[in-house]
Amino acid sequence: EDKVVQSPLSLVVHEGDTVTLNCSYEVTNFRSLLWYKQEKKAPTFLFMLTSSGIEKKSGRLSSILDKKELFSILNITATQTGDSAIYLCAGDHGGATNKLIFGTGTLLAVQP
Amino acid sequence: DAMVIQNPRYQVTQFGKPVTLSCSQTLNHNVMYWYQQKSSQAPKLLFHYYDKDFNNEADTPDNFQSRRPNTSFCFLDIRSPGLGDAAMYLCATSRDRERPQHFGDGTRLSIL
Repeated sequence: EDKVVQSPLSLVVHEGDTVTLNCSYEVTNFRSLLWYKQEKKAPTFLFMLTSSGIEKKSGRLSSILDKKELFSILNITATQTGDSAIYLCAGDHGGATNKLIFGTGTLLAVQP
Repeated sequence: DAMVIQNPRYQVTQFGKPVTLSCSQTLNHNVMYWYQQKSSQAPKLLFHYYDKDFNNEADTPDNFQSRRPNTSFCFLDIRSPGLGDAAMYLCATSRDRERPQHFGDGTRLSIL
């Protein structure tokens, strides 16, 4: 059965800290790994990773995929209170179904 | 400007009373998805349309149906809502199956 596991489940840090969020996956017909940020509304797309070892960056956020170890991390440097959210990782089950298998997310709280 | 628009943002219905949720997109994307997200859980794919081709997930209850009358609109119909159907319903679109999915703000459904 396909599954995506995220850790930690929740994390509390102070502004300026650096955090690393983890995602491991077992997804058949795996095509890509996606990261989303979810505040009070719908998930907002952050990254899509298809190749191992190539870091993607957007401002203070970066992510990398290890297809051998079936693992991805999301790094946030110099955290701000606005980074507080649930971060969702999803594996793209390729093929005809094109299904995203989501993890339950990591709840990040950044305190002033 | 919002590109995936869901209406209404909040919907309250009575047990057993049919309800329809709507989603529209201005992106001209080929694929539209419906997810169910219950409290503290990961989004779960119900079904998706690739153009006019409907793809139902095997574990989606028969109570849930969908219509896509044109490229821009997609509807989620719940024929006889039960208390267990209370959830956030998320609509997403992607240009094609290999592209990231972009979500609307969701409709939070409550059942009385």
